[in-house]
Amino acid sequence: KQEVTQIPAALSVPEGENLVLNCSFTDSAIYNLQWFRQDPGKGLTSLLLIQSSQREQTSGRLNASLDKSSGRSTLYIAASQPGDSATYLCAPNDDYKLSFGAGTTVTVRA
Amino acid sequence: NAGVTQTPKFQVLKTGQSMTLQCAQDMNHNSMYWYRQDPGMGLRLIYYSASEGTTDKGEVPNGYNVSRLNKREFSLRLESAAPSQTSVYFCASSELGALPYEQYFGPGTRLTVT
Repeated sequence: KQEVTQIPAALSVPEGENLVLNCSFTDSAIYNLQWFRQDPGKGLTSLLLIQSSQREQTSGRLNASLDKSSGRSTLYIAASQPGDSATYLCAPNDDYKLSFGAGTTVTVRA
Repeated sequence: NAGVTQTPKFQVLKTGQSMTLQCAQDMNHNSMYWYRQDPGMGLRLIYYSASEGTTDKGEVPNGYNVSRLNKREFSLRLESAAPSQTSVYFCASSELGALPYEQYFGPGTRLTVT
């Protein structure tokens, strides 16, 4: 069974600082990995998907890396803004199903 | 293009009552999923349907049944609700080909069982 751990559980930073969110997973035989954003009381918004053959994926201020062999992914958010405040979830896909971590809750202070 | 829609948005049930959560997607995806999210935990897969006409159990299927009504619709039924089923329920869909594709999520149904 895939186990997903996200560290830290919560993070508070001043506006403009870069964010580093970590995700580790136990089974490296994955097809891809998705990063999601969840605002309080809302659904999940997909941010990035990295295929297992890729090392990195970028979208605007977001960059996600994947080291499948060591079971790690990192989401970098450059020049954080108050609007980035949310919970970020990582989810590796194995056997065509997603497994989720508990998330990292980010607060960006103005 | 509405993506993934879920009804109802909120529901309160008494223990022992039954209800069906509805999910529909307009992206012509083959695969659909039901997850639950409890406070402080990640989402857990309840049931999924890899393609029309098939359904399979996920990590936490006990107390639930599903129906893949057609390619667009996938419903989740609670036959006899229990307080432990108080949760937020999310439906998702994705395309399925040589590789699994991105999953898209609905806005969720917030269910309270008293």
